[in-house]
Amino acid sequence: SYELTQPPSVSVSPGLTARITCSAHVLPTQYTYWYQQKAGQAPVLVIYKDSQRPSGIPERFSGSSSGTTATLIINGVQAEDEADYYCQSAASSGISVVFGGGTKLTVL
Amino acid sequence: DVQLVESGGGLVQSGGSLRLSCEASGFDFSRFEMNWVRQAPGKGLEWLSYISITSAIIYEADSVKGRFTTSRDNAKSSLYLHLNDLRADDTAVYYCARDLVGSDGFDVWGRGTMVAVSS
Repeated sequence: SYELTQPPSVSVSPGLTARITCSAHVLPTQYTYWYQQKAGQAPVLVIYKDSQRPSGIPERFSGSSSGTTATLIINGVQAEDEADYYCQSAASSGISVVFGGGTKLTVL
Repeated sequence: DVQLVESGGGLVQSGGSLRLSCEASGFDFSRFEMNWVRQAPGKGLEWLSYISITSAIIYEADSVKGRFTTSRDNAKSSLYLHLNDLRADDTAVYYCARDLVGSDGFDVWGRGTMVAVSS
């Protein structure tokens, strides 16, 4: 089965850059999506199709993908960015959508 | 405002059934593909199912295939998830989520409805 692996936790000081990786065990054929989930809230899409940012998402959020690894980058991290972040892709478009295990971002 | 509101969750005994609903507002529901996603307490997100605009195509995760049924009523702007033969590990918050057009991502999520299964 298709799997996505994320580090359980990432810590960063305010104003610095956070990088959260999402690794697939095989070369992905579909794009990667990223979601932010704050405590007690529903997930929010922050990056789609590897590197596109939805309207309303701050410019400090960006994404990249190379080989089997996608990366969410948050430049100039702010306290409000503290949340769980999930990557998502699909083994084949629409079929068997998969989420990574999630990464807890702590702002020190 | 674009909105999805889930309902129908609650406490149910193992082996029991529930029907979850997701009512859409603020957009033309009949033009969007939809999904169900769940999250067990303290755990990550788990995709459950996808349904096409006309209901002609439905994909389901192996973990719920044969027990959960996804359907929709475009006239009522509503999405449904029928949960049968519930087990303790089905305890979770259940979210409905709208497909971002032309992609596998989800751009609108409801706030979720909690299902608790007692053994």
